[in-house]
Amino acid sequence: NAGVTQTPKFQVLKTGQSMTLQCAQDMNHNSMYWYRQDPGMGLRLIYYSASEGTTDKGEVPNGYNVSRLNKREFSLRLESAAPSQTSVYFCASRRGPEPLSGNTIYFGEGSWLTVV
Amino acid sequence: AQSVSQHNHHVILSEAASLELGCNYSYGGTVNLFWYVQYPGQHLQLLLKYFSGDPLVKGIKGFEAEFIKSKFSFNLRKPSVQWSDTAEYFCAVNGDSNYQLIWGAGTKLIIKP
Repeated sequence: NAGVTQTPKFQVLKTGQSMTLQCAQDMNHNSMYWYRQDPGMGLRLIYYSASEGTTDKGEVPNGYNVSRLNKREFSLRLESAAPSQTSVYFCASRRGPEPLSGNTIYFGEGSWLTVV
Repeated sequence: AQSVSQHNHHVILSEAASLELGCNYSYGGTVNLFWYVQYPGQHLQLLLKYFSGDPLVKGIKGFEAEFIKSKFSFNLRKPSVQWSDTAEYFCAVNGDSNYQLIWGAGTKLIIKP
């Protein structure tokens, strides 16, 4: 079972470059998330999509945009990368879209992004 | 604002030692609580969760956690750790909107063989 798949796994960008992180889930989940993970800070929510056709800002949305392309796919775009965006990015999904009770969040394997 | 505190950022134990990782949260309403684990080089996996009922929750790999409402705590325990338990452990609680989780900063656990 593939679960949540995200690409690329590793990427090095120069400051100012743009890139898109792709995420797809095959569990027929309604809700999808993008998090970033930084040492000593746990996971911070960038954007989420409670259901197809909706997106909402999370805790740290600045510098990012998202697209919920369809029910399966949720992409994260960095328009002009900055060194502060060096991080590990995780895509996640859950059944949703109802409130969290009873839903487990499933994570992808992470994307390591370095901005130089 | 809601928050989750994991008091120990790094814990080093020997094999067969007992483990308790602390997790405290600030939220006055009904809570759903989670522990996730991230093994080196891998993605986060659910270890256990509490929604309601018995406050002592048993998870995978011999882990358990106890929800103590009066202390706003959800500590993770394991009676005898193994080298393979080396990982980072994250506590999380549902947020106001109930669509998101609020995460602790994580505890890196190193088990010495």
